[in-house]
Amino acid sequence: DTAVSQTPKYLVTQMGNDKSIKCEQNLGHDTMYWYKQDSKKFLKIMFSYNNKELIINETVPNRFSPKSPDKAHLNLHINSLELGDSAVYFCASSRGQRSSYNSPLHFGNGTRLTVT
Amino acid sequence: KNQVEQSPQSLIILEGKNCTLQCNYTVSPFSNLRWYKQDTGRGPVSLTIMTFSENTKSNGRYTATLDADTKQSSLHITASQLSDSASYICVVSGGTGANNLFFGTGTRLTVIP
Repeated sequence: DTAVSQTPKYLVTQMGNDKSIKCEQNLGHDTMYWYKQDSKKFLKIMFSYNNKELIINETVPNRFSPKSPDKAHLNLHINSLELGDSAVYFCASSRGQRSSYNSPLHFGNGTRLTVT
Repeated sequence: KNQVEQSPQSLIILEGKNCTLQCNYTVSPFSNLRWYKQDTGRGPVSLTIMTFSENTKSNGRYTATLDADTKQSSLHITASQLSDSASYICVVSGGTGANNLFFGTGTRLTVIP
């Protein structure tokens, strides 16, 4: 009964490859997010989608392309992977268009991406 | 600039002892402040949330305080257990942009027997 699930949990790939990370939430939330957690454990917003529409797009290289086929899914596709892309990527969801007092972020357990 | 700073960066305590983690923020306007616990290999999980009108909020052995005037919050852990070993992240909601969540860099707590 995982509320926010991401696959795969680990991803090891070579520079230049293209890879995807999938995320699904069964909480009925309207908004989904992708965060990147660097080696210093800092969580940085990448994207957020509300009902399949992009509402936050931080300064992320255009090699990263989110895709939301429906409001329960938000996948992350990464082209031409670089060494600096190595990090843990977290998917999250919340009710409403923005996280609020009554709607905390619910995080998945992360995907550890290692680019060699 | 909207920022959240946490201290200490890391902390090691003996099982059964108490500890206090600090969070200072400059987010404006301020909406609420939430503490998350992140176990190794897992995603963050919400512990407590406070608005500007709430000075303290407890969740079991975790007690959070908020001083909206000085823009400071603390998370106090009482009678620590080995399972408290985790990263604790302070997240402030506010600002005026589409992204309304500002994350601290976390405090890594290790409880040793």
